Amino acid sequence: DAMVIQNPRYQVTQFGKPVTLSCSQTLNHNVMYWYQQKSSQAPKLLFHYYDKDFNNEADTPDNFQSRRPNTSFCFLDIRSPGLGDAAMYLCATSRDRGAPYEQYFGPGTRLTVT
Amino acid sequence: AQSVAQPEDQVNVAEGNPLTVKCTYSVSGNPYLFWYVQYPNRGLQFLLKYITGDNLVKGSYGFEAEFNKSQTSFHLKKPSALVSDSALYFCAVRDEDSSYKLIFGSGTRLLVRP
Repeated sequence: DAMVIQNPRYQVTQFGKPVTLSCSQTLNHNVMYWYQQKSSQAPKLLFHYYDKDFNNEADTPDNFQSRRPNTSFCFLDIRSPGLGDAAMYLCATSRDRGAPYEQYFGPGTRLTVT
Repeated sequence: AQSVAQPEDQVNVAEGNPLTVKCTYSVSGNPYLFWYVQYPNRGLQFLLKYITGDNLVKGSYGFEAEFNKSQTSFHLKKPSALVSDSALYFCAVRDEDSSYKLIFGSGTRLLVRP
């Protein structure tokens, strides 16, 4: 089945130690998104890629970076994690941007910062 | 300003009874509305969407939603609840200014008791 895969499912890192979260998709979608979700709150969009075009949200901290080396893969890099960055990180894809296109989410990576 | 409201933090229903999870929205133009479900420690799963056309939208797992323009509502419904429907439900509307974005409601936790 076509899907969105996130690895690892659980990640523990130390305060200030860089960490990378991975997302891959077999849907061949043009758009890939990264969200942060805390404590069953609504997901908060960090950034998205439209093909190779990176789009950062205005309120996303500089501590968060992303890479999309090809259509299938997208990475979230947290350069110096703080305790406040502990959250569930969700990757999502959609065929295109705009109204009719729903987003497909991966299972998420739960990040713990010690 | 655009917004989505889910007025109930939690909905409790007995298995076999009908369920309704409420959502109201505020947009200036035509709304593009979505429902997602999130099971514990999982990503969001797309249930259904309203773009245009019939006001009653059918989705996955026996769920449906009724679009009501006059009441600016998009309530999620199911005729007969299952214990396995217990989860967190998010309503979302497409952002009119940034069409790639979804504006999520705060979520409603559905608890179906046996």
